[in-house]
Parts: sequence; C-alpha cells; structure tokens
Amino acid sequence: QKEVEQNSGPLSVPEGAIASLNCTYSDRVSQSFFWYRQYSGKSPELIMSIYSNGDKEDGRFTAQLNKASQYVSLLIRDSQPSDSATYLCAVPGSARQLTFGSGTQLTVLP
Amino acid sequence: EPEVTQTPSHQVTQMGQEVILRCVPISNHLYFYWYRQILGQKVEFLVSFYNNEISEKSEIFDDQFSVERPDGSNFTLKIRSTKLEDSAMYFCASSEGTSYEQYFGPGTRLTVT
Repeated sequence: QKEVEQNSGPLSVPEGAIASLNCTYSDRVSQSFFWYRQYSGKSPELIMSIYSNGDKEDGRFTAQLNKASQYVSLLIRDSQPSDSATYLCAVPGSARQLTFGSGTQLTVLP
Repeated sequence: EPEVTQTPSHQVTQMGQEVILRCVPISNHLYFYWYRQILGQKVEFLVSFYNNEISEKSEIFDDQFSVERPDGSNFTLKIRSTKLEDSAMYFCASSEGTSYEQYFGPGTRLTVT
C-alpha cells in the first residue's frame, strides 16, 4: 500500500515570499510524482509533474525530487494571494491510480 | 482547451436509491478514473478503467458500485443503493495513453439523506 505524507499545515507566508511544500512517499519504485492545487470546493488541478531527480521549473513553481530520500517538494516563488489553496502530492500506482497525500493548506497573506 | 466535464454538479438522493454520475473525459484520452473526497478528507481512488474494462479498484469500490462506458464519450459511475456515508464529492479524471498525468473534472457533490 503506497503511503504519501504531507505536512498538513496550515502554512502561511507573506505575499512575495517563497512557499515550500514537502511530501514523502513510501514506495521506492515510484517513478512519477505530481502536484495538484485544490481550491476550496473545487477539483484538483494539475500544476506540476516530475519524473527524474533534480529540479523542474515552470514559471513561479519549482518541483524538486530526491528519489534516494523518497522526497518531493514544491516551491512557489513570489507567492500571491491567489496561490492560497490546498496543495496535494500524488503518486501513481501500477494501474496509474493516484494515491494522494492529505494536502498542505497554504495561505498567502497580502 | 479540452476538459473533463461531469453532470450533475450536485445530486441529492435518499438512502437506498440508485444514482448515476456522468462524466465526459477528454476526447483522445484512453484511461478513466473515479475518485471521491469526503468533506475534509483525502482524495481517494475508487476505480480505473481502460480498454473497456476495470484495470484496478480500491476496497471502497464494492458490489454497490459499477462503472460503464456506454458509448464513445460517456463514462458513468453507478451506486446501486446509496448509504449516508456515500455523501462526498465524486471526481472523474482521464489521462492519455503515453502520460500518467490525470486531469480532473469539476466533480459531482452527492448528498445522501
């Protein structure tokens, strides 16, 4: 059974700061990792995927993967109030089914 | 931009009734999924579907649940006899053949009274 653990937060950062979100996973053979953003009452929205060790940048978002430590993180630079949401880490299984973490609630303070 | 759609957005039903939740996945996607999220809890996998058959199901997906792709566009989740604990948001998702990235629909809020 895959386990995906996230700090539940809440995490508060001031506008313009860097928000750092962390996720650990139990299955050493996992090859893909995803970050979803979920606004209250809405569905998960895919914002980043990462497949290999190191950093992947997309605009203000950077995903970092360390397979040896079974750790994946998401950095949000220049945080905006519109980034306030719950961020979900997800790992696929053998049939592509996603196991989600419980999410980290982020609040960006104006 | 193509997107997954779901109907209805909100369904209220009485305990013991059957409900059908409908989804139209992105048109060139090959893999389809249902997830649910009870208020305040994690998103949980229910079932995945590929090549007109179930490829994986969770322990939540018991005999009360079924899925169907009745035509080339719709993907449905049926709950035969709803229970109070089935109250949740139900999300449909789809992915391409070459990528594991899944795109979610807006969800159906199911309320069982």
